[in-house]
Amino acid sequence: AQTVTQSQPEMSVQEAETVTLSCTYDTSENNYYLFWYKQPPSRQMILVIRQEAYKQQNATENRFSVNFQKAAKSFSLKISDSQLGDTAMYFCAFMKLINTGTASKLTFGTGTRLQVTL
Amino acid sequence: EAQVTQNPRYLITVTGKKLTVTCSQNMNHEYMSWYRQDPGLGLRQIYYSMNVEVTDKGDVPEGYKVSRKEKRNFPLILESPSPNQTSLYFCASTSEGQPQHFGDGTRLSIL
Repeated sequence: AQTVTQSQPEMSVQEAETVTLSCTYDTSENNYYLFWYKQPPSRQMILVIRQEAYKQQNATENRFSVNFQKAAKSFSLKISDSQLGDTAMYFCAFMKLINTGTASKLTFGTGTRLQVTL
Repeated sequence: EAQVTQNPRYLITVTGKKLTVTCSQNMNHEYMSWYRQDPGLGLRQIYYSMNVEVTDKGDVPEGYKVSRKEKRNFPLILESPSPNQTSLYFCASTSEGQPQHFGDGTRLSIL
């Protein structure tokens, strides 16, 4: 079974600064995806970024980037130039590939609540 | 617009009164699932479906039922709700390893 650990229950960052959220996971699988989801107060689950395990290059989406260390089973999220709208709960999630292209469940971490302050 | 629609968004009910939370997606996805979110526990999968008439238990299936008679719909049924099923519920759908699309959530309170 897979497990995902987010060791920072809460974090705070000032507007325009950079913050890194940590995530580690445990799996014996070789083919999988990793995701970061954002959950603002509206409770929606919004995909922030995803990383395919077979890709060595770290994924980037505008101000969001990841540091994917496959051997260390680490998948941290860096938010640059933080904005007030980034205030949310952030979840790290793991998804294994059952067969080529077949979807499977997401295993979530417990979340990190990020507060962006003025 | 691609979306997953859950209803109701909020429900307060009493112990033992059967309820159904509906979920519908318009993306022709094969895979659908239900999660519950509880403070300090993240989201945990309740049930999932790989396709029509194919369903299976997730990590926390006790007290829940599902059905998948049509590809687009995946209702969650609580036959005899109990207070420990008070939670925030999400339906999600996906296909071929794509990111999962989530509904907007259903807040259930069982008194």
